[in-house]
Amino acid sequence: AQSVTQLGSHVSVSEGALVLLRCNYSSSVPPYLFWYVQYPNQGLQLLLKYTSAATLVKGINGFEAEFKKSETSFHLTKPSAHMSDAAEYFCAVSESSGGSNYKLTFGKGTLLTVNP
Amino acid sequence: EPEVTQTPSHQVTQMGQEVILRCVPISNHLYFYWYRQILGQKVEFLVSFYNNEISEKSEIFDDQFSVERPDGSNFTLKIRSTKLEDSAMYFCASNSYNEQFFGPGTRLTVL
Repeated sequence: AQSVTQLGSHVSVSEGALVLLRCNYSSSVPPYLFWYVQYPNQGLQLLLKYTSAATLVKGINGFEAEFKKSETSFHLTKPSAHMSDAAEYFCAVSESSGGSNYKLTFGKGTLLTVNP
Repeated sequence: EPEVTQTPSHQVTQMGQEVILRCVPISNHLYFYWYRQILGQKVEFLVSFYNNEISEKSEIFDDQFSVERPDGSNFTLKIRSTKLEDSAMYFCASNSYNEQFFGPGTRLTVL
């Protein structure tokens, strides 16, 4: 069964500082991995995804993540935090259950706050 | 850009009442999903649906829940007799190959 662990339920950074949000996964088959962002009272927006192509994945809003199979990790980074990055971030893993059925398993989320 | 839509955005109901949450997935997608997020907790998979039948369901998706695609565009989640613990945000999603697109959610409040 697939699972996701996000280390740190709350991360606080200063504006302009590096953002690092950690995600480790468990999967019995090569996984697809995703980062979603959720702003207050809004839905889930896809930031980026890994689908077995390049291990360094670039997403929207300057975020990127690196798939490291040996570490079963998919950490999210951004070189310089902006106030608008304050949100909750969810890491998710999916395995195909057959055909194109890609059920997602989410981590518990990391709340990112950005201090001026 | 195509998007998944959900109605209503907020539903308040009394315990024991039936509710129907509605979703319009992206038109050329074939797999549809419902997830829920209890306040302060992670997003949890409820059910996936393909070719007019359930593909997979979680242990949360008990006999109180049902899904339906009544026509060519809508995808609904019905809760027959709501409980207080059903209060949550419910997200609909649809699939394009390996990427899911989520709707904005329906916040269900059971009193």
